Amino acid sequence: NAGVTQTPKFRILKIGQSMTLQCTQDMNHNYMYWYRQDPGMGLKLIYYSVGAGITDKGEVPNGYNVSRSTTEDFPLRLELAAPSQTSVYFCASSSLPSLSGDGRPETQYFGPGTRLLVL
Amino acid sequence: AQTVTQSQPEMSVQEAETVTLSCTYDTSENNYYLFWYKQPPSRQMILVIRQEAYKQQNATENRFSVNFQKAAKSFSLKISDSQLGDTAMYFCAFRTGGTSYGKLTFGQGTILTVHP
Repeated sequence: NAGVTQTPKFRILKIGQSMTLQCTQDMNHNYMYWYRQDPGMGLKLIYYSVGAGITDKGEVPNGYNVSRSTTEDFPLRLELAAPSQTSVYFCASSSLPSLSGDGRPETQYFGPGTRLLVL
Repeated sequence: AQTVTQSQPEMSVQEAETVTLSCTYDTSENNYYLFWYKQPPSRQMILVIRQEAYKQQNATENRFSVNFQKAAKSFSLKISDSQLGDTAMYFCAFRTGGTSYGKLTFGQGTILTVHP
C-alpha cells in the first residue's frame, strides 16, 4: 500500500492563479481531510469528507473548494491564490470508527504534504 | 469549540535522558480522544500515541508514555531514553467522540531537539 499520496510536493503560484492539490489514498478509507500548516503553527482543518459525494467545511475553508467523486481521491482547489494561502497542505484519511465497541479511535494517516508559495 | 494548548515552543534534551512535553485542552465533552503526533524534518505526520478519555490507565508505547489528568484537562507526553531520531516537532491533538467524523484539533506544536 502506498498509503496517502499528494502531488505536487512544491509549487509556486502567482497571486490570482488557480491550482488543484491532488490527494489519493489506497486504503479504502471513508474519511478524508485537508489541513493547512502555517510556519511554526499547528494544523488547521480546511475541508473534510465522510464518503464519495459528501464534503463539509472545516475551520478555515475560505478560498478553497473540494470535491469527492471517488473513495480514493480528494482534490483541493484554490481558485484565486492569495499570499495568505502560502502554507504546507496535508491530506489525511481514516477508516470508519470501529463497530466492535472497543472504543478504539481510528488513526488518521497523513500524506507527505504539499508546500505552496504564493507570490 | 475545543482548544488545545502547548505552552512549550521549544525543548531540548540530552540523548538517553527523559523529557516531558506538556499539553492542555479545553472541552465540555465527556467522550473524546487525545493524540500525540510527531513531525520530523521530512514533514510527515506520524502518530506516536493515543488515549481514550474514558480510560483511566495511561497509554504506553515503548519509550513513549502519557500522563492523562482528565480533571485538570492535561495530557503530557514523556519520552524515555531519548534518541537522536526523536528530534522533531510534536503536536498534541484532540477529537470528540460520537459523530465528529474524526476531525482533529491540533496544538501549536513543540520543537524537540535531542543532543548527542
